Amino acid sequence: DTGVSQNPRHKITKRGQNVTFRCDPISEHNRLYWYRQTLGQGPEFLTYFQNEAQLEKSRLLSDRFSAERPKGSFSTLEIQRTEQGDSAMYLCASSFPTGGKSKSYNEQFFGPGTRLTVL
Amino acid sequence: GESVGLHLPTLSVQEGDNSIINCAYSNSASDYFIWYKQESGKGPQFIIDIRSNMDKRQGQRVTVLLNKTVKHLSLQIAATQPGDSAVYFCAENKMDSNYQLIWGAGTKLIIKP
Repeated sequence: DTGVSQNPRHKITKRGQNVTFRCDPISEHNRLYWYRQTLGQGPEFLTYFQNEAQLEKSRLLSDRFSAERPKGSFSTLEIQRTEQGDSAMYLCASSFPTGGKSKSYNEQFFGPGTRLTVL
Repeated sequence: GESVGLHLPTLSVQEGDNSIINCAYSNSASDYFIWYKQESGKGPQFIIDIRSNMDKRQGQRVTVLLNKTVKHLSLQIAATQPGDSAVYFCAENKMDSNYQLIWGAGTKLIIKP
């Protein structure tokens, strides 16, 4: 257990429905990342927050995707009008650039992920 | 486009032997490299990292080697144990843009008893 939690762990939905995932990072970590991972592939970067500010969004993050981190603590990732191609594992990670629990420069601690299946 | 990739999708090793997992990268601007381990149903777990000003770094039972000349990274696991079974990913990063990791496709390590 890295200290990063994600809920739900599994989500099955029908195409066209909206879904929302939650990530609770390690409390003192100011950086939070969302990734998407498909089977056998490495995680693909989606977006990144420093405190409550969303500083970077990947081209993969279409306008159906939105992420928030309103108080600089937990974050939510919402997918609207889900498509079958959205089926994947959605991973959240957090980090603290120096000191803290990080053992190295930018160690990102990952949660267990939310597996989304769109029927 | 520039990418990080792995040579072998699956590596099968006898328990107790050493394992070597390789990774090639193509972005010469990358200056920070990380190895992650991902067990089934879990998120990736940090193993070891190395900065581009080094060519070798050792951890507990693991060693990472970096060859910048040929843009090659390897992870050596000594005395492989059943608990080492997982998918291993290398990832790269530029230290002045430290928020985004670029990942390879992964190598599955299988430990034979």
